[in-house]
Amino acid sequence: DVKVTQSSRYLVKRTGEKVFLECVQDMDHENMFWYRQDPGLGLRLIYFSYDVKMKEKGDIPEGYSVSREKKERFSLILESASTNQTSMYLCASLPGQGKTQYFGPGTRLLVL
Amino acid sequence: GQNIDQPTEMTATEGAIVQINCTYQTSGFNGLFWYQQHAGEAPTFLSYNVLDGLEEKGRFSSFLSRSKGYSYLLLKELQMKDSASYLCAVIQGDYKLSFGAGTTVTVRA
Repeated sequence: DVKVTQSSRYLVKRTGEKVFLECVQDMDHENMFWYRQDPGLGLRLIYFSYDVKMKEKGDIPEGYSVSREKKERFSLILESASTNQTSMYLCASLPGQGKTQYFGPGTRLLVL
Repeated sequence: GQNIDQPTEMTATEGAIVQINCTYQTSGFNGLFWYQQHAGEAPTFLSYNVLDGLEEKGRFSSFLSRSKGYSYLLLKELQMKDSASYLCAVIQGDYKLSFGAGTTVTVRA
């Protein structure tokens, strides 16, 4: 079974803090994704990576950056957290020849 | 951008059938997914349609009409555990997924 894990289920941070969200997959997938999920808006793509050290902006990259130093790990960074970044963050991975994305359990982030 | 529309909420009785519709307008269409998401959990894959027609998988079926930009997910013999959000998502190219806002299905005894 594909396993995608995220470092925290719940996080509480203060405005202006730097926040790291970590995602690890154990199936040697080439592609990894970060989404945020908000009521009434569905999942929106923040960034994705198709290889180590490679990244592309998704639909809402503003205020975020990412890092992929190893194939199995994809990190989402909030350089200076703001209250409008309070959300559920979901990581996903996708094999190179596949179409189905596999999701982690999500991190619910609250920025005060 | 993409327009993917699905109803916000649906309620049905245990043992009944529910049909969740999804309409989309998108470029570079390369298939449509349905995911199930229980509250506080990760979305899990239900179905993938790339050709027109009906795909049946146990109690769940998914239909696609590319010319109409339309899909539905059919849930038969509803069980309490089917209470969840159902997400319609369109894939463009090899990996870019665009999601609808999700349909929350409540199954009542």
